[in-house]
Amino acid sequence: DAEITQSPRHKITETGRQVTLACHQTWNHNNMFWYRQDLGHGLRLIHYSYGVHDTNKGEVSDGYSVSRSNTEDLPLTLESAASSQTSVYFCASSESAGVPYEQYFGPGTRLTVT
Amino acid sequence: GIQVEQSPPDLILQEGANSTLRCNFSDSVNNLQWFHQNPWGQLINLFYIPSGTKQNGRLSATTVATERYSLLYISSSQTTDSGVYFCAVVFQTGANNLFFGTGTRLTVIP
Repeated sequence: DAEITQSPRHKITETGRQVTLACHQTWNHNNMFWYRQDLGHGLRLIHYSYGVHDTNKGEVSDGYSVSRSNTEDLPLTLESAASSQTSVYFCASSESAGVPYEQYFGPGTRLTVT
Repeated sequence: GIQVEQSPPDLILQEGANSTLRCNFSDSVNNLQWFHQNPWGQLINLFYIPSGTKQNGRLSATTVATERYSLLYISSSQTTDSGVYFCAVVFQTGANNLFFGTGTRLTVIP
């Protein structure tokens, strides 16, 4: 069955370190998204991609970067981790077309920056 | 500005009761989804419903796009329905990302 996976599921890192969170989908979707969820809030968009070599900034992109070298993967990099980036990170994907299709979410990565 | 508002913020039900959750959105949408976030944090797709009515077992949803709201109905609630329910929309103006409401926290008591 097609799915979307994230790794690691849990990560503890120190302030200032570079961290990369992986997202892999087997839906063959062109659209991929990264969101963060903070305690008591809904999800907010960090970055998104509409296809290979395409990346775009979202609402809360400062301190994060993404790259899209193939259809299946969209890794999220925290250049220099800060305590404010402690959060749960969700990756999502959807088909691409003129009309936005249903988005499917991965299981999330819980990141703690100490 | 762009907003997605959900009500009520918290809801406590006795097992077997019915409930209605509401989502209001500030502009025209191309997509509306309802999610259930379970106690383990997993986001489960409930409905993809930019307009109309859908039913899936004890759950149903209705979106009235012209009046900018959607309703999620839960009938004969069970303890496994507990968690946070999110409404999320893709607005017609802008990128294809979802804007999330702040959720309704549902607790079903045995």
